[in-house]
Amino acid sequence: AQSVSQHNHHVILSEAASLELGCNYSYGGTVNLFWYVQYPGQHLQLLLKYFSGDPLVKGIKGFEAEFIKSKFSFNLRKPSVQWSDTAEYFCAVNAYSSASKIIFGSGTRLSIRP
Amino acid sequence: ETGVTQTPRHLVMGMTNKKSLKCEQHLGHNAMYWYKQSAKKPLELMFVYSLEERVENNSVPSRFSPECPNSSHLFLHLHTLQPEDSALYLCASSAPGQGITEAFFGQGTRLTVV
Repeated sequence: AQSVSQHNHHVILSEAASLELGCNYSYGGTVNLFWYVQYPGQHLQLLLKYFSGDPLVKGIKGFEAEFIKSKFSFNLRKPSVQWSDTAEYFCAVNAYSSASKIIFGSGTRLSIRP
Repeated sequence: ETGVTQTPRHLVMGMTNKKSLKCEQHLGHNAMYWYKQSAKKPLELMFVYSLEERVENNSVPSRFSPECPNSSHLFLHLHTLQPEDSALYLCASSAPGQGITEAFFGQGTRLTVV
C-alpha cells in the first residue's frame, strides 16, 4: 500500500531563511508526486507536481521540489521564505496503478517570523 | 473559487441526527473524492468515485454513506455519528483519464458532532 511520510510537523523560520521540507513515500512502482499548500482559512491548492522527466520541478511562488527515486523522496525547497509562506504543506503520491487514488502525508506547519 | 463547491461550510449535529454534505464540481472531471482532515493526522482518503462508480472505500464506518448521482455531484450522508467524527471533510475531483491526476479541492465542511 502507498504511504507518505512528512517528518517535520512544525517548522519555524525567520524571513529570508532557506526552507527544505522532507517527504518520503513508499511505493515500488511509477508515481506522480505533489506538494499542496493550505493557507490559513483557505482550501488546499496545488503548489507543484512531478509526473516524469526532469526530477527538479518548479512550482508557484518560488517553490521547487526534487524527486530522488533511489531515496523515495520528494523534498520541497525555497531559497528565501516570506512571511506570506506561513501555511500548512502537504506531500501526496498517486501510484500509476491506481490513477484515482491520491494519498497524503500528515502535513508540515510552516511558521515564518517577520 | 476553486471549481469545487461544498455545502454547508459549517455543520453542528447531534449524535442522533441525520445530515448530508454536498459537493459539486464545475471542472468536467470524472473522479470525485471524500477526505477527512483531523488535526495532526494525514488527510484520510474515505471514498473515491470514478465515472460515478465507487472504486475505493477505506474501511470507513457505515455511519458514513456516500452517493454519486452523476459525475458533477457527490454527497456524504451522515447518521448516528460520534464526537470523534468531528473534523474537516474535504471533497476533491480529478480527471485521470484526461491526464489530470492532481486533485482539486473544495473549501471543506467543518463538522462538529455534539
